[in-house]
Amino acid sequence: GAGVSQSPSNKVTEKGKDVELRCDPISGHTALYWYRQSLGQGLEFLIYFQGNSAPDKSGLPSDRFSAERTGGSVSTLTIQRTQQEDSAVYLCASSEQETQYFGPGTRLLVL
Amino acid sequence: DQQVKQNSPSLSVQEGRISILNCDYTNSMFDYFLWYKKYPAEGPTFLISISSIKDKNEDGRFTVFLNKSAKHLSLHIVPSQPGDSAVYFCAASGNFGSWGKLQFGAGTQVVVTP
Repeated sequence: GAGVSQSPSNKVTEKGKDVELRCDPISGHTALYWYRQSLGQGLEFLIYFQGNSAPDKSGLPSDRFSAERTGGSVSTLTIQRTQQEDSAVYLCASSEQETQYFGPGTRLLVL
Repeated sequence: DQQVKQNSPSLSVQEGRISILNCDYTNSMFDYFLWYKKYPAEGPTFLISISSIKDKNEDGRFTVFLNKSAKHLSLHIVPSQPGDSAVYFCAASGNFGSWGKLQFGAGTQVVVTP
């Protein structure tokens, strides 16, 4: 079956612009997660959606970051007024139980 | 606060030999552990996992060992193959407020040489 898909695969933007990153989870997976990997770093948790529960936003680095999940499926991560330190690979994952399955990521470069 | 640590940034191993990757954690509430493999420009791929009620889980060439008293787990790959060259991440989760949030180590770059 289809895995987790993310779009765009690459995004170059100018400092101060807003960006939207999209994630399509595996069909039927109730949980969806966003992580990011900065250059030379491990994966850093950002936000987590589980069913209809309020999302766990504890990993969002600032109020410029937000995410929503519409209809319990597709999710959009929005970064407002991007900064150069936002440059990273943004990874989305989904799960049915404990094991999370990742998409290919969106490589964001803020100039 | 790094709760999952992979202290070896890189590992070189000959094809056919065993690769041993190590991971340490600090939070005793972690109850589920996973290993992921990542190729450049791709997302992490799930390899193998282990629950805290077990001390060993095996899947083909991959075996994960968990030592709860030492807060240590390891991944054994035997025999190592050239396609195993990748970055390997250790991850942990626990039922302490956020069911599925994973804490990742910094990764170990494995290079399998002919």
